[in-house]
Amino acid sequence: DGGITQSPKYLFRKEGQNVTLSCEQNLNHDAMYWYRQDPGQGLRLIYYSQIVNDFQKGDIAEGYSVSREKKESFPLTVTSAQKNPTAFYLCASSINTGELFFGEGSRLTVL
Amino acid sequence: AQSVAQPEDQVNVAEGNPLTVKCTYSVSGNPYLFWYVQYPNRGLQFLLKYITGDNLVKGSYGFEAEFNKSQTSFHLKKPSALVSDSALYFCAVRASGSARQLTFGSGTQLTVLP
Repeated sequence: DGGITQSPKYLFRKEGQNVTLSCEQNLNHDAMYWYRQDPGQGLRLIYYSQIVNDFQKGDIAEGYSVSREKKESFPLTVTSAQKNPTAFYLCASSINTGELFFGEGSRLTVL
Repeated sequence: AQSVAQPEDQVNVAEGNPLTVKCTYSVSGNPYLFWYVQYPNRGLQFLLKYITGDNLVKGSYGFEAEFNKSQTSFHLKKPSALVSDSALYFCAVRASGSARQLTFGSGTQLTVLP
C-alpha cells in the first residue's frame, strides 16, 4: 500500500547526541515536510522540501537539519543544538492542492 | 500572514447527539481549508477540504464542514456522534496560489460520552 513510513516509532536521546529520524514515502509526491507537535501547541513546521536537492526552513528550524537526496526520502536530524527536543515529530507529503498525508510519527525523548 | 483559531480546547458531546468543532481563519485572498483528525500517538488523518465550489463539504466518516466566507469560519460537523469519534481535531488553512505552507490550529479534543 502507498503511504509514509516513519522510523523509529520511539527514540531516546542523551544530552549532546544527534539523532536522525527516518521518513520514506512511496506516494510519488514531490513535496515533503517535517512538523513538531507539542501538547496544546498544534503543529509547527520545521523544514520542507518541494523538490529533490532543495529544502527550506520552516518556523522552528534552529537545531534541526534535513537532506533530500531522493524523492522518496526526507530524513530529519535533531542536533545537540536543539535545546528542547522532546516532542512528537510528524513527517508528511503533499499533492498540488496542499492536502497533506502524514506518517505515524516518531516520539523523541531526551533522557 | 495566515492564522487559524480553534476557540475550544475541549468539546464534550453525548453519543447520538450532533457535534460541532469550531474553526475560524485569517488569510489574504481565497483560502484552502482542511480538517484533520488525530488519535493518540498516531499521525494526522485527512477528513475533508474546501478548495472552491459548494460551501458544504462532505468528508470521511460522516463528517462535513461549512465554509462561511463572511464569518471566515469553517466549522466541522457531524449529525450523530459516535464514541469512536473521540480524538483530537485540527483545522488548517493556506492561501490559494500562495507558496506558503499550511498553518494549523492548536487543536480541539473531542470527547463523545456513551
